[in-house]
Amino acid sequence: ETGVTQSPTHLIKTRGQQVTLRCSSQSGHNTVSWYQQALGQGPQFIFQYYREEENGRGNFPPRFSGLQFPNYSSELNVNALELDDSALYLCASSQVTNEQFFGPGTRLTVL
Amino acid sequence: QKEVEQNSGPLSVPEGAIASLNCTYSDRGSQSFFWYRQYSGKSPELIMFIYSNGDKEDGRFTAQLNKASQYVSLLIRDSQPSDSATYLCAVMGSGYSTLTFGKGTMLLVSP
Repeated sequence: ETGVTQSPTHLIKTRGQQVTLRCSSQSGHNTVSWYQQALGQGPQFIFQYYREEENGRGNFPPRFSGLQFPNYSSELNVNALELDDSALYLCASSQVTNEQFFGPGTRLTVL
Repeated sequence: QKEVEQNSGPLSVPEGAIASLNCTYSDRGSQSFFWYRQYSGKSPELIMFIYSNGDKEDGRFTAQLNKASQYVSLLIRDSQPSDSATYLCAVMGSGYSTLTFGKGTMLLVSP
């Protein structure tokens, strides 16, 4: 059984740029959730995808967008990067309402 | 707004002792409760989940849930230095299958 994978591991961008983060869900899981974790904070929910449709969204602006593909992998896109977007971005996969398992995360630094 | 509260710690216990981690939540409609362990620089790892009032044991870990008091706890018996990490409490509501996290409690187990 393959676990959740994310790419890239680390990323450095400058303000105003755009970034795409990728996630492959665990085998058999059809739901992907994205979270942002700032230093010293708990993860904050960005949005969730279930069968290629957005299935809920947290308190994040529209410049945070996503996609889910037929194989249940997912992308998180962030436009017009701001310094406060610097964080660990976590992808979690699950079978709808079951337990969520996190990938290793992508550390984004915005300069 | 749904909130999950945890003491930030650090909670310091000697090796072999019982560590008790606590969490309160604001949404009475919450259905499922999770404990994640997060080592510094790593992603959260699911260690326990509980859905019903009472206790649930898994090895050295016991999760306790009291929905009337909106309180969930995690006990770690025979604490080991390798248990030193931040423990995140997460709550899933009755709507979207998304998680609301607390800020985490840092646990330090001294040899």
